[in-house]
Amino acid sequence: QVQLVESGGGVVQPGRSLRLSCVASGFTFSSYAMHWVRQAPGKGLEWVAVIAYDGGNKFVADSLKGRFTISRDDSKNTLYLQMNSLRSEDTATYFCAKDFRVYSSGSFQNFDHWGQGALVTVSS
Amino acid sequence: DIQMTQSPSSLSASVGDRVTITCRASRVIANSLAWYQQKPGKAPKLLVYVASRLESGVPSRFSGSGSGADYTLTINNLQPEDSATYYCHQYYSPLQTFGQGTKVEIK
Repeated sequence: QVQLVESGGGVVQPGRSLRLSCVASGFTFSSYAMHWVRQAPGKGLEWVAVIAYDGGNKFVADSLKGRFTISRDDSKNTLYLQMNSLRSEDTATYFCAKDFRVYSSGSFQNFDHWGQGALVTVSS
Repeated sequence: DIQMTQSPSSLSASVGDRVTITCRASRVIANSLAWYQQKPGKAPKLLVYVASRLESGVPSRFSGSGSGADYTLTINNLQPEDSATYYCHQYYSPLQTFGQGTKVEIK
């Protein structure tokens, strides 16, 4: 069965960096685009970023561009989110999610599987 | 970015009721619309995709409809386990966006 397990969350000071990881299993990771979605405490869902199945296309939410970077290592079945210059408003649970369609590259689909989330708290 | 306006933000209904949640996109999104259910402390769960296709295993009391920029999630015969927050999600643009969510409470 599909499993997505995030790690790397924790408490970090404003202005510092953090890298989240998402290890995938139960499907051919290298064939699917992958997404990050976040949710601030008590708030709604916010799409963060997507990376194509082959890593060729990457998109980041406009509000996060320049600070957040998405990447993948297919040899490790792992998705990453590098977060720099963190702010208090980045405090959230970060979910990784699998794209619905195989071989998505320039256009993407809904999410059919989600991880359990990793909590990032930005605080001094 | 495509903005998604979801309404209502919350509702309270009785077991057996029919509930309707709407989502309006700021532009036509050509049925690239999904609905998710989220319960407290859990990851969202896919209910409907391509506006009206029910995900495998989702009870048939859930249904999606709409076209263009306007979409609807309907829950028929509301059950206690349907108490949750529901989100619409557009994937027409690579810069995807969610609605603000609708919290459904059971009276």
